[in-house]
Amino acid sequence: AQKVTQAQTEISVVEKEDVTLDCVYETRDTTYYLFWYKQPPSGELVFLIRRNSFDEQNEISGRYSWNFQKSTSSFNFTITASQVVDSAVYFCALSILTGGGNKLTFGTGTQLKVEL
Amino acid sequence: DAMVIQNPRYQVTQFGKPVTLSCSQTLNHNVMYWYQQKSSQAPKLLFHYYDKDFNNEADTPDNFQSRRPNTSFCFLDIRSPGLGDAAMYLCATSRVGTGGGEQYFGPGTRLTVT
Repeated sequence: AQKVTQAQTEISVVEKEDVTLDCVYETRDTTYYLFWYKQPPSGELVFLIRRNSFDEQNEISGRYSWNFQKSTSSFNFTITASQVVDSAVYFCALSILTGGGNKLTFGTGTQLKVEL
Repeated sequence: DAMVIQNPRYQVTQFGKPVTLSCSQTLNHNVMYWYQQKSSQAPKLLFHYYDKDFNNEADTPDNFQSRRPNTSFCFLDIRSPGLGDAAMYLCATSRVGTGGGEQYFGPGTRLTVT
């Protein structure tokens, strides 16, 4: 069975601070994918990034960066110079192939509040 | 813009009264999913369609059914809603599964049961 743990329930930062959201996963599959989604108050889940289990390269996209480490089963997400618009719930998720689709197992989410 | 559309955005139904939630997509994706998300919880997969093949999650209650009449549309039927079924229902799509296709989510339908 797959499991994703986001130990941080809620984080509050002041604008322009850097913040890291932690994600730890468990799976016995050797082929899997990891995702981060953002859920603003409007409710829609917005895709941010995907990583496959064979690619441990870190990635940077603007103010966002991701650190994938198989040795510790972690896929952490850092926002540099946070902004109020970054306030949302962030979900880490793990995907394996099942029944022709991709079964996403989500973590419980981290509520990020960025204040002025 | 290609997208996933859910109607209605808000739905109120009475205890025990059947309700249907609708999802449509213009992405032409093979796979469509339904998730249930209760307040302050993670989305939980109910079932998905790979083309016309229906895949039910083992712990999805029988009260929840789904139909996919064509590639573009998928419906979630709740036969006898209980108070515990009040939640946000999210529809998502992806390309044929390789495990790595990202899922595109609709805005959700918030269901209230009175």
